[in-house]
Amino acid sequence: QQQVKQSPQSLIVQKGGISIINCAYENTAFDYFPWYQQFPGKGPALLIAIRPDVSEKKEGRFTISFNKSAKQFSLHIMDSQPGDSATYFCAASMYGGSQGNLIFGKGTKLSVKP
Amino acid sequence: KAGVTQTPRYLIKTRGQQVTLSCSPISGHRSVSWYQQTPGQGLQFLFEYFSETQRNKGNFPGRFSGRQFSNSRSEMNVSTLELGDSALYLCASSFADTGGEKLFFGSGTQLSVL
Repeated sequence: QQQVKQSPQSLIVQKGGISIINCAYENTAFDYFPWYQQFPGKGPALLIAIRPDVSEKKEGRFTISFNKSAKQFSLHIMDSQPGDSATYFCAASMYGGSQGNLIFGKGTKLSVKP
Repeated sequence: KAGVTQTPRYLIKTRGQQVTLSCSPISGHRSVSWYQQTPGQGLQFLFEYFSETQRNKGNFPGRFSGRQFSNSRSEMNVSTLELGDSALYLCASSFADTGGEKLFFGSGTQLSVL
């Protein structure tokens, strides 16, 4: 009930290509869906987040697409760059994310080849 | 503005010992959350403190405990260490007033239990 499933586990994309990472959730009480980026030796850093009342949110090269009926959301990275190589985590929480208790997916290791 | 500071960066302990990890949140942040990160289980929520009170708790045994001080600094303690407690322990802070607040993560404490 609390699980967030993320795919793929790893992804290799050519520079300039589009990276797509997908997540699915079960609990319809979730109302906050962030994506985090983590580089080796560092903690995760928030990239972009969405609430279920919108179907898409874009910030620069990063876009979240949200499908409430399918209980799925995805991250699109346009014009992927070698500097985007990192591990990406989707997450979900209740209470608008106000209580710090995010449920994370298992992560996707992205490698962008020059 | 200083980020979230976690000390120590690395720790090596033996089974049966106990350990205390420290976290200094960003100035002005009142919420501190703790997460355990392992290659197998990913990022898992331990607990969250807000204004010195534990507001939320994940599914971990009672050997894992924490507290928050009046200056918002937080500590977590793990007693009777087991091999499976080897992990990166991450602390995150936020204002946590209105929901959807950005969680700022520290770089973590890497705990190895031998």
